[in-house]
Amino acid sequence: DGGITQSPKYLFRKEGQNVTLSCEQNLNHDAMYWYRQDPGQGLRLIYYSQIVNDFQKGDIAEGYSVSREKKESFPLTVTSAQKNPTAFYLCASSARGSSGDYGYTFGSGTRLTVV
Amino acid sequence: AQSVTQLGSHVSVSEGALVLLRCNYSSSVPPYLFWYVQYPNQGLQLLLKYTTGATLVKGINGFEAEFKKSETSFHLTKPSAHMSDAAEYFCATDSGNSTLTFGKGTMLLVSP
Repeated sequence: DGGITQSPKYLFRKEGQNVTLSCEQNLNHDAMYWYRQDPGQGLRLIYYSQIVNDFQKGDIAEGYSVSREKKESFPLTVTSAQKNPTAFYLCASSARGSSGDYGYTFGSGTRLTVV
Repeated sequence: AQSVTQLGSHVSVSEGALVLLRCNYSSSVPPYLFWYVQYPNQGLQLLLKYTTGATLVKGINGFEAEFKKSETSFHLTKPSAHMSDAAEYFCATDSGNSTLTFGKGTMLLVSP
């Protein structure tokens, strides 16, 4: 079955450490997205990529980095510069240019906790 | 920039009662509008979407929403709530750059 896989489901990080969240899709979608979810704040866009080897900052990109070397993969690195990284992170994908027509397909999320 | 506002962070209904979740949008052009549902510690699932055409949109699990341009609204309804409907619901709109902007969410609580 086609879908998006995020791993791990739960992740613990010590302060000052970088950590990478994995997102893989087998939907043949061109566009991929990372959102952060905090209670009462909805989803906020971190980074997105419309095509391989290209990506754009979203509304809250500071302290995060991404790469898009393969169509299927869009990993997110939470760096030590992110002051409040504890949150639920959601990856999504859509056919290129069609998020308005079809919306997104979401992964099941990664819950990151800083200890 | 397009945006959506969801009125009420929590809505409580009894099982069998009408569900009404409110969403208003801000857009200078005809918007694309979506409703998503999220169960605890899971991703979001698309309930329904409005792009063009018929303003009353039917979705999964008995939900529907009506696009009202004059009121800039896209409220989500279900005639009879079920316990399994308890979840968080998000309204979203296309931001014009192939990304979606989400509201802050409404938690639906269903009591027996």
